[in-house]
Amino acid sequence: DAKTTQPNSMESNEEEPVHLPCNHSTISGTDYIHWYRQLPSQGPEYVIHGLTSNVNNRMASLAIAEDRKSSTLILHRATLRDAAVYYCILRDVGTSGSRLTFGEGTQLTVNP
Amino acid sequence: NAGVMQNPRHLVRRRGQEARLRCSPMKGHSHVYWYRQLPEEGLKFMVYLQKENIIDESGMPKERFSAEFPKEGPSILRIQQVVRGDSAAYFCASSPRTPSNTGELFFGEGSRLTVL
Repeated sequence: DAKTTQPNSMESNEEEPVHLPCNHSTISGTDYIHWYRQLPSQGPEYVIHGLTSNVNNRMASLAIAEDRKSSTLILHRATLRDAAVYYCILRDVGTSGSRLTFGEGTQLTVNP
Repeated sequence: NAGVMQNPRHLVRRRGQEARLRCSPMKGHSHVYWYRQLPEEGLKFMVYLQKENIIDESGMPKERFSAEFPKEGPSILRIQQVVRGDSAAYFCASSPRTPSNTGELFFGEGSRLTVL
């Protein structure tokens, strides 16, 4: 599985934007970039995914570098409920099969 | 539409006992995944099942662990002769279709096993 690198932790203030980076320098052309998050004592929750173009949904935006070697998850206005571990995952069913491979993720702390 | 339901949410077992964890996927979902999260660690894939079939068990420990997803009823993750190292949160996820690069997984809230 292609590897991703994320900072161990980040802090933000409530109602401010948050940019969560992810490096994936060995990404292949068929890898999709997925983001999940895990709130305390809960299961992971899908956030967003993309391939090449930037993506927006009700939860977040995903900005993908032109060379696809990095991406950034953007929370436009952080709330206390956004405090979670955020996982950046590369997915190519053709090479890695059915599994999602979770790394260590980024622990996001949101200050009131 | 109810989400992925896991039970029990908390389970305490003594060493040597058996643990059975159940997972009911979302309605209409016929694909189930099990993940394990050891304390202070990330999620590790264990097994992927479709109805009545184990598709990928490459993450399952070779001994004491088994999983099934019968035609009727929930998926079961069974751990025989539990040891303290089995203490973890076990998460089930489901999806409505075969794995794809764009498909998302829907996770349950997990079952937390404590082995005394």
